[in-house]
Amino acid sequence: AQSVTQLGSHVSVSEGALVLLRCNYSSSVPPYLFWYVQYPNQGLQLLLKYTTGATLVKGINGFEAEFKKSETSFHLTKPSAHMSDAAEYFCAVSTYSSASKIIFGSGTRLSIRP
Amino acid sequence: GAVVSQHPSWVICKSGTSVKIECRSLDFQATTMFWYRQFPKQSLMLMATSNEGSKATYEQGVEKDKFLINHASLTLSTLTVTSAHPEDSSFYICSARDPSPGTAETQYFGPGTRLLVL
Repeated sequence: AQSVTQLGSHVSVSEGALVLLRCNYSSSVPPYLFWYVQYPNQGLQLLLKYTTGATLVKGINGFEAEFKKSETSFHLTKPSAHMSDAAEYFCAVSTYSSASKIIFGSGTRLSIRP
Repeated sequence: GAVVSQHPSWVICKSGTSVKIECRSLDFQATTMFWYRQFPKQSLMLMATSNEGSKATYEQGVEKDKFLINHASLTLSTLTVTSAHPEDSSFYICSARDPSPGTAETQYFGPGTRLLVL
């Protein structure tokens, strides 16, 4: 079985500062890892995903995440926060053997201070 | 990326009525779609997996007679909330799995449907 833990339900950073959203996963088989963003009253938009290969994954809007197997982590970062980055972010895990079921973390709300 | 639509985007209905929500994959054929429910300030809860041409697979605790799912074509799945009650009020989100090679079976999400039962 897979699970995802997002550390921090709410993160607040200043505009222009580094964004770091933490995600740890548990999986008995090689995982597929995802970060999704949700703006108020909207569905989820895929930011980036890791399947195999390069462990540093670049996504949309300047976000990137690094898969660290030894730490079972997949933290999301962005060098410089913009006001438009304020949203809810979900880390998620899946595996090929799980018939595409995605297990979501509890979410982290990112606030940007002017 | 792939596009998934939902209709309606919001609906208000009276208690006891049934509501149908449509989920469409617009630019790919989705043999598998998923239905989620999201309560305010919470994560998504998987309700069921919808497979084209076969019965849906429901997660534990989800009433299959309450939430009817039909996946009659490769681009359309519907969720019908039967005899809706105020506790069914929620944000319902669907997703569609892209089976194309190289996508790692990524799921693409619809914009969601907000249901309010009075």
